[in-house]
Amino acid sequence: QQPVQSPQAVILREGEDAVINCSSSKALYSVHWYRQKHGEAPVFLMILLKGGEQKGHEKISASFNEKKQQSSLYLTASQLSYSGTYFCGTPVDGGATNKLIFGTGTLLAVQP
Amino acid sequence: KAGVTQTPRYLIKTRGQQVTLSCSPISGHRSVSWYQQTPGQGLQFLFEYFSETQRNKGNFPGRFSGRQFSNSRSEMNVSTLELGDSALYLCASSLSPLAGPYNEQFFGPGTRLTVL
Repeated sequence: QQPVQSPQAVILREGEDAVINCSSSKALYSVHWYRQKHGEAPVFLMILLKGGEQKGHEKISASFNEKKQQSSLYLTASQLSYSGTYFCGTPVDGGATNKLIFGTGTLLAVQP
Repeated sequence: KAGVTQTPRYLIKTRGQQVTLSCSPISGHRSVSWYQQTPGQGLQFLFEYFSETQRNKGNFPGRFSGRQFSNSRSEMNVSTLELGDSALYLCASSLSPLAGPYNEQFFGPGTRLTVL
């Protein structure tokens, strides 16, 4: 089943914070976060593993709540460059393959 | 290091035709996955290849097929095109076929297919 993301869209002013949630009805093995700007390819942000191990490349943090089957992406002191659509993806087979099921996305717009 | 490249970037076809899309993964990456992205359905997994073998397939009709070559480059083919096949087709490459913590998937810019 497709993960559910919330909110669907959010508008921020530069410097404000945002939280994007990704929930699944199935047990999560890991959560992969991507950001996609209009007309561009999705860019990898971070992987969250069950057990809390986190790996990312940018100054954006995330958490994994195994009990709630949910991951949250935290964007603090947002910058204009944070604008885009954020997707979470989860492996469907415990990570045995690269097949990811993606959520419907959260559109984030950061205004000056 | 060069990123994932996809060709062509844009295609316009008519119903009933067939199309072949190409993906060259990052050098050293042997796993290639294909996704279809549409406004209505979002990002949907098509198939994954590793070492020239299809390891997983999404819920798409048999008109969608793919293959991988010994140099890890991959192609996908869609036969008998339908209007609903209009989409952005993305490929993603990774080192390993396992969705583990150190195996990020890097997406290419995609091929925008329009079926008239």
